[in-house]
Amino acid sequence: ETGVTQSPTHLIKTRGQQVTLRCSSQSGHNTVSWYQQALGQGPQFIFQYYREEENGRGNFPPRFSGLQFPNYSSELNVNALELDDSALYLCASSPSGSPKETQYFGPGTRLLVL
Amino acid sequence: QKEVEQNSGPLSVPEGAIASLNCTYSDRGSQSFFWYRQYSGKSPELIMFIYSNGDKEDGRFTAQLNKASQYVSLLIRDSQPSDSATYLCAVNREGSQGNLIFGKGTKLSVKP
Repeated sequence: ETGVTQSPTHLIKTRGQQVTLRCSSQSGHNTVSWYQQALGQGPQFIFQYYREEENGRGNFPPRFSGLQFPNYSSELNVNALELDDSALYLCASSPSGSPKETQYFGPGTRLLVL
Repeated sequence: QKEVEQNSGPLSVPEGAIASLNCTYSDRGSQSFFWYRQYSGKSPELIMFIYSNGDKEDGRFTAQLNKASQYVSLLIRDSQPSDSATYLCAVNREGSQGNLIFGKGTKLSVKP
């Protein structure tokens, strides 16, 4: 157990809908990163939040957005869902976002878009 | 060329053997390297990290890094059926704000 929690565990949505995924970071960690893992692929970096500010973004469209709260928990929002958004969404926390730090993953949210 | 490449496998080894997993990366600015294990339907869990050239050992696991050749490997000694999983290699670049670049993973199967 890493101490990183995510909710919900599973979600089914239809194309065009919007979804919000939630993540609580490990105690003492102020950085949260979000990744998308499609079936049979490695995780792909979506964005990272450090002390409530976006601190880097991968190659994802603007309909993927996020927030980080003062307690360092975080949300990932996806608008106008597409079939290809079906994936495991992983949240990872780290102490301060340094490239040398280990990122600890939560259990993930499995999203299915129909 | 993909940034982080791994043989997708499956790699099959008998119980008790050494499993060797390899990873190559394209960015010479990469500075930290991680191996994660992912069981089917679960999230990745950290096995080892390595920053400097050479070997790093932790129990049955040894990570090897060769920055000149741009490869990192993971050796698992005395492989057990419980080691059967997908192993993900991840790389972090200097100035990347900490985002990990993952390979597709190598599926390892340890046969009793």
